[in-house]
Amino acid sequence: QLQLQESGPGLVKPSETLSLTCAVSGGSISSSGYYWGWIRQPPGKGLEWIGTIYYSGSTYYNPSLKSRSTISVDTSKNQFSLNLSSVTAADTAVYYCARRSTGYPPDYWGQGTLVTVSS
Amino acid sequence: EIVLTQSPGTLSLSPGERVTLSCRASQSVSGSYLAWYQQKPGQAPRLLIYGASSRATGIPDRFTGSGSGTDFTLTISRLEPEDFAVYYCQQYGSSPRTFGQGTKVEIK
Repeated sequence: QLQLQESGPGLVKPSETLSLTCAVSGGSISSSGYYWGWIRQPPGKGLEWIGTIYYSGSTYYNPSLKSRSTISVDTSKNQFSLNLSSVTAADTAVYYCARRSTGYPPDYWGQGTLVTVSS
Repeated sequence: EIVLTQSPGTLSLSPGERVTLSCRASQSVSGSYLAWYQQKPGQAPRLLIYGASSRATGIPDRFTGSGSGTDFTLTISRLEPEDFAVYYCQQYGSSPRTFGQGTKVEIK
């Protein structure tokens, strides 16, 4: 059974960089046809797609966050990561990692990790 | 960017009732690439429907998705106690992928 697990600091200071990692188990991140992405949800609010990466390194970002977002993949560790720079309180959210297949929506999700931006 | 508008915002219903949730897109959703998710407090979203009308693995047949173009519907034929949750639609045919703001189905 595929499992995804987010990890990273739960508290980040304003103007700093938020860094999260998603460890994938029960399957290979290098499998053809699968894309790996990040989605966030501010407390009490809706869902926002951040971006997606393919194991080859191809990336796709939400234009609203593209200038501050970097998603990378480490196939040797079977994990992928998110860096979000210059954070503000508006970036406080639960961050989820997820997998989707070509032509399908995300079907496997991590449990989510709350990141709070505060000094 | 495709904006998805869900209605109503909140529904107060009793177990056993039938419920219909709406998701309207600001422009046509390519290939009917429209999904529905269920989210309970403290949990990640759970995929219910993809391709507007196909049930995901393990989803009971009381959940039915329909629609095309700009108008989509999720119907729950008979509410079970475990169905009280927030429901989101998502379009994945165009970039950026976008979600509706959610409909909360609460116990009356």
